[in-house]
Amino acid sequence: KQEVTQIPAALSVPEGENLVLNCSFTDSAIYNLQWFRQDPGKGLTSLLLIQSSQREQTSGRLNASLDKSSGRSTLYIAASQPGDSATYLCACTYGGFKTIFGAGTRLFVKA
Amino acid sequence: GAVVSQHPSWVICKSGTSVKIECRSLDFQATTMFWYRQFPKQSLMLMATSNEGSKATYEQGVEKDKFLINHASLTLSTLTVTSAHPEDSSFYICSVTGRGLNTEAFFGQGTRLTVV
Repeated sequence: KQEVTQIPAALSVPEGENLVLNCSFTDSAIYNLQWFRQDPGKGLTSLLLIQSSQREQTSGRLNASLDKSSGRSTLYIAASQPGDSATYLCACTYGGFKTIFGAGTRLFVKA
Repeated sequence: GAVVSQHPSWVICKSGTSVKIECRSLDFQATTMFWYRQFPKQSLMLMATSNEGSKATYEQGVEKDKFLINHASLTLSTLTVTSAHPEDSSFYICSVTGRGLNTEAFFGQGTRLTVV
């Protein structure tokens, strides 16, 4: 069964701290892995997309890595800000473009 | 990237009525569309997959007679929640993929359905 797990489920950090969100997946035959941000009551905002042939992607203060052999991805957020507070979702896309989501990590950055 | 428009963004309906949610791909041909549901504080769960011009494939546990999906064209898929009940209140979101999108799926902004 294809499963995506995210740890931790929730995280509270002071402003300015660097942090790492973890994602693991049971089936490594992914097409790509994507990190999303979801604000309360809102839709998804795509942050980073890593194709299966890639090892990492960077956008501003965000860096996502992919290790297919170990079935893991991490999202690194540098110098966190209160505006980064949201739920972060990891999603793996497989054959037929079926996407499996993790349960998310709820991040709260304290000012 | 591709642009996906989902409408409405939120809807409140009375129990027993039906609600239609639209998902449109604005700038490309969406050969496949997916519908997801998200209950409060849970992750998104795939409900069904639809390919243009054919019947949708539903995930286990999803009632196909309750959640009607129509993908009549390459730019539009609709999800109709029939005889809605309060337990159907949820966040529904579509994603699309198609030719030339290099395995990437693009998501609509979602629809928050509240059944009272």
